[in-house]
Amino acid sequence: GIQVEQSPPDLILQEGANSTLRCNFSDSVNNLQWFHQNPWGQLINLFYIPSGTKQNGRLSATTVATERYSLLYISSSQTTDSGVYFCAVNAGGTSYGKLTFGQGTILTVHP
Amino acid sequence: DAGVIQSPRHEVTEMGQEVTLRCKPISGHDYLFWYRQTMMRGLELLIYFNNNVPIDDSGMPEDRFSAKMPNASFSTLKIQPSEPRDSAVYFCASSFSGGSHSYNEQFFGPGTRLTVL
Repeated sequence: GIQVEQSPPDLILQEGANSTLRCNFSDSVNNLQWFHQNPWGQLINLFYIPSGTKQNGRLSATTVATERYSLLYISSSQTTDSGVYFCAVNAGGTSYGKLTFGQGTILTVHP
Repeated sequence: DAGVIQSPRHEVTEMGQEVTLRCKPISGHDYLFWYRQTMMRGLELLIYFNNNVPIDDSGMPEDRFSAKMPNASFSTLKIQPSEPRDSAVYFCASSFSGGSHSYNEQFFGPGTRLTVL
């Protein structure tokens, strides 16, 4: 099946800093989502981005499907950004609909 | 919309007992997914349904696990008998295949934290 690798595994920032999280995947995809799992365990949808670039406030994401990677940018980080960031992909075909998750990036933002 | 609803939010049970987790997908969504999250294995898909029909249950760990979707607004995941290694957070998610730019985007419920003693 498709492989998803996220980097870095851990990231510690001071409030106000910027960061870039990376997601590499091993095959072409028809769905790529970024999630934030907050300290209460909820999975929050950040972006649906199988290709192209999107922005939502301080967050933006870019997926280069031909090169099989996606980047999540967090600018002017805040303590509320802390948590785990997951990239998840769906490769279509016989795996239509099912998401394969990366292992996540644990982000800690200190005040 | 209220989003995906799961119950109970927390469940503590003893080994050997039957556990039933419940999920109500977002109204109008035609796909429903059950995932499990553990420290060791991360987030993994257990089973998913399309229009109430199970499509892929290859992620179900063993025969002790079963899932049903009797109608478009309700699904259950049952573990019988439960074991301590089943302790995890179980998420339900749903999606709509007929969208345009958000094709098959999945939305997750708050999860059920299961502890088997």
